[in-house]
Amino acid sequence: RKEVEQDPGPFNVPEGATVAFNCTYSNSASQSFFWYRQDCRKEPKLLMSVYSSGNEDGRFTAQLNRASQYISLLIRDSKLSDSATYLCVVISSGGYNKLIFGAGTRLAVHP
Amino acid sequence: EAGVTQFPSHSVIEKGQTVTLRCDPISGHDNLYWYRRVMGKEIKFLLHFVKESKQDESGMPNNRFLAERTGGTYSTLKVQPAELEDSGVYFCASSHPGLWETQYFGPGTRLLVL
Repeated sequence: RKEVEQDPGPFNVPEGATVAFNCTYSNSASQSFFWYRQDCRKEPKLLMSVYSSGNEDGRFTAQLNRASQYISLLIRDSKLSDSATYLCVVISSGGYNKLIFGAGTRLAVHP
Repeated sequence: EAGVTQFPSHSVIEKGQTVTLRCDPISGHDNLYWYRRVMGKEIKFLLHFVKESKQDESGMPNNRFLAERTGGTYSTLKVQPAELEDSGVYFCASSHPGLWETQYFGPGTRLLVL
């Protein structure tokens, strides 16, 4: 079983739509959680960290459910520029900052 | 502030040859990481340097891979001899000693072994 699992998509949505991505992780000792964004043939870039209390950054909201080992990302009012692959990333306890990546969820926003 | 840079951007070599990838981290970032994405798979950790010391090399696939960071500045990752399954994108990342969770990635080196 993979340590971090994501629905690969693609999610095809119109501009202005709200879209949600989910991710599960297998190691209950995981301590830090992130969403990264990766554009085609580019490097991953940190989108936001994820906390148990939830956090919001503009149109983006991330949530963590430790009991269910589940992480979510909600994008409201989708823009064409949001089209990318969204990577769920975890750092396990004792992982020495080693990022563990999910395979990513592709989002395509169309006019 | 300059970001993480990697060289070369692309490399095409034949099986059995040697390739050396270079990474220059953001200035002042003691932590340097190597990751790899092979086709169809997720990005996977290879190893982590703190300054010139290897903190964690649990992700290195085998002894054909050698990473160095002499002087604690730039790092090299040498693959010798290269095999077909080594093809993929090799990313380097760095983080500030006090903000280790935020890793900044370089643009990657695309390696194709024929």
